[in-house]
This record gives sequence, C-alpha cells and structure tokens, in this order.
Amino acid sequence: AQSVTQLGSHVSVSEGALVLLRCNYSSSVPPYLFWYVQYPNQGLQLLLKYTTGATLVKGINGFEAEFKKSETSFHLTKPSAHMSDAAEYFCAVTAPHNDYKLSFGAGTTVTVRA
Amino acid sequence: KAGVTQTPRYLIKTRGQQVTLSCSPISGHRSVSWYQQTPGQGLQFLFEYFSETQRNKGNFPGRFSGRQFSNSRSEMNVSTLELGDSALYLCASSLASGGADTQYFGPGTRLTVL
Repeated sequence: AQSVTQLGSHVSVSEGALVLLRCNYSSSVPPYLFWYVQYPNQGLQLLLKYTTGATLVKGINGFEAEFKKSETSFHLTKPSAHMSDAAEYFCAVTAPHNDYKLSFGAGTTVTVRA
Repeated sequence: KAGVTQTPRYLIKTRGQQVTLSCSPISGHRSVSWYQQTPGQGLQFLFEYFSETQRNKGNFPGRFSGRQFSNSRSEMNVSTLELGDSALYLCASSLASGGADTQYFGPGTRLTVL
C-alpha cells in the first residue's frame, strides 16, 4: 500500500519569504511523485512531477521539489512567495504495485501575508 | 488545445435522486479518471476508464458507476443520493493509462445533496 503525508494543513508566509511544503510518502517500490495546486473553485493544476532521473525537479511558477529516497520525502519549495501563490497544494503518488492509482495527501493551504 | 471540461458545474439534488455528471477529456487523451473531493475525506479516487473499459476502481459503493464512450468522453452516475455524496467531483484525463502520465484536471462539478 502507499500513502502520502503532508505535514501542516495550513502554512502562512510573508510575501517574499521562502515557501516550504512538506510531503512524505510510503511506498514499497520507487513511486512517481506529483505536486498539484488548486485555486478556489477550480480543478487541480500540475506544478511538477518526479519520475526518474534528476532528483531536483523544477516546475511552473518558480516552484521546485527534491526527491529524497532515503528520507521518503518530496518537499516543495519556492524561494520567494507571491500573493498569487495563495492556494491549496496537494502532494500525490502513484506506483506500479498500486496499478498507478493516484493517491493524494490531505493538502496544505498556503496564505501569503502582505 | 482545449482543456478538460465538466458539465454541469453545479448541481443541487435531493436525497434518493440520481445524478449523471459528464466529462470531456483533452483531445487525444484516452484515459479518464474520476475523483471525489470533500473537506473531511480529501481527494479520493473513484474509478478510471481507458478505451471504454474500467481499469481501476476505488473503494466506493456500487451506487457510484461510470462509463466511457468511443470518443473518450466519460459519464459518472450516482444513484440513490445520500447527504454524504455532497462533494466536488473532479475528472482528469491523460494520454495513456498508468505510468507517469500527467493527469489534467477539469474544474469539477459541485454536487449538493439536500
């Protein structure tokens, strides 16, 4: 079985500050990892994904994430928060042993203070 | 290229009724997955269709069903609605089934059961 844990359901940052959203997964085999963002009353938009290869993945809107197998983590970061980053962020994982069903974390809501 | 579209965007039904939701995938995408999003349970996988065949099913009662047509459009049906079925229902499409293919999400259908 696989699961995703997002530490912190709410994160508040100042505009211009570092954004750090934590994601840990449990999977018996190397998974594929995703970060999605959801703005109010909208669907999910892919920020970035890790499949194989380089463990530091760059995504859209200045976000990046690093796959750390030893820590079973895939934390999302952005060096400088912008007001438009206020949204809910979801970490997700798929793996072949789970027939590639996408499993989501509970989500982290980010608020950005002016 | 047009994104994933879902109709209707909002629905209000009463307990015991049934409802059908529609999803049109991105052109060329053959896989369609459905998810239920609620504040309490988060994002949960309902089922996936690929080339008109159900490939995967989540842990939902038989009241939830779906189908996919030859043009890859998909419908989801919920019979005998319960109050707990109130949720945002998201559809996602991808080129193929499984693997690291990115799932592209529609804006969702907000279902309210009274």
